Amino acid sequence: GQNIDQPTEMTATEGAIVQINCTYQTSGFNGLFWYQQHAGEAPTFLSYNVLDGLEEKGRFSSFLSRSKGYSYLLLKELQMKDSASYLCAVRDSNYQLIWGAGTKLIIKP
Amino acid sequence: DVKVTQSSRYLVKRTGEKVFLECVQDMDHENMFWYRQDPGLGLRLIYFSYDVKMKEKGDIPEGYSVSREKKERFSLILESASTNQTSMYLCASSLAGSASGANVLTFGAGSRLTVL
Repeated sequence: GQNIDQPTEMTATEGAIVQINCTYQTSGFNGLFWYQQHAGEAPTFLSYNVLDGLEEKGRFSSFLSRSKGYSYLLLKELQMKDSASYLCAVRDSNYQLIWGAGTKLIIKP
Repeated sequence: DVKVTQSSRYLVKRTGEKVFLECVQDMDHENMFWYRQDPGLGLRLIYFSYDVKMKEKGDIPEGYSVSREKKERFSLILESASTNQTSMYLCASSLAGSASGANVLTFGAGSRLTVL
């Protein structure tokens, strides 16, 4: 079966760095996405990786290793507004998105 | 600002009632999707549509149907609501084109349905 694993919840301190991991086992691979979802709001797109390596976008970076079936989202200089759920999704060989259950990130002052 | 608008944020219905969830996007997107989001589970695809009048079943279509009469509107219908359909329903849209590109989804804020 197809599976996306990410931690259920993480806690970090304002101003610090946090890494949210995502491991996947899917039927084929055509890209990996990270979305952010604040409580009660729509998920919004953060990043897309299709080749191995690091993609940096301001305070957020996303890394992909296809051989290991592994990605992480790195958030630097954490702000209180970064408190949200972070959703990892993989597009499989049929170009369908398989979603992880999301990681709830709690930022403490 | 581009938007996907879901008409109802909160609904409470009784078992057996017919339920309509409406979704409208103003981005001229070809693709539209309905997902449900439940605690501890990833988003699950109910139905999707790549064009007007066209629909495809997703992973969990049982108990649902959809309608896409206009490009901007995609409706999810629960013919006879049941308690196990209590959930958050998310509508999303995206551009058509190469599936090998990012093809980012734009989501609505969700409709939280409670079936009593």
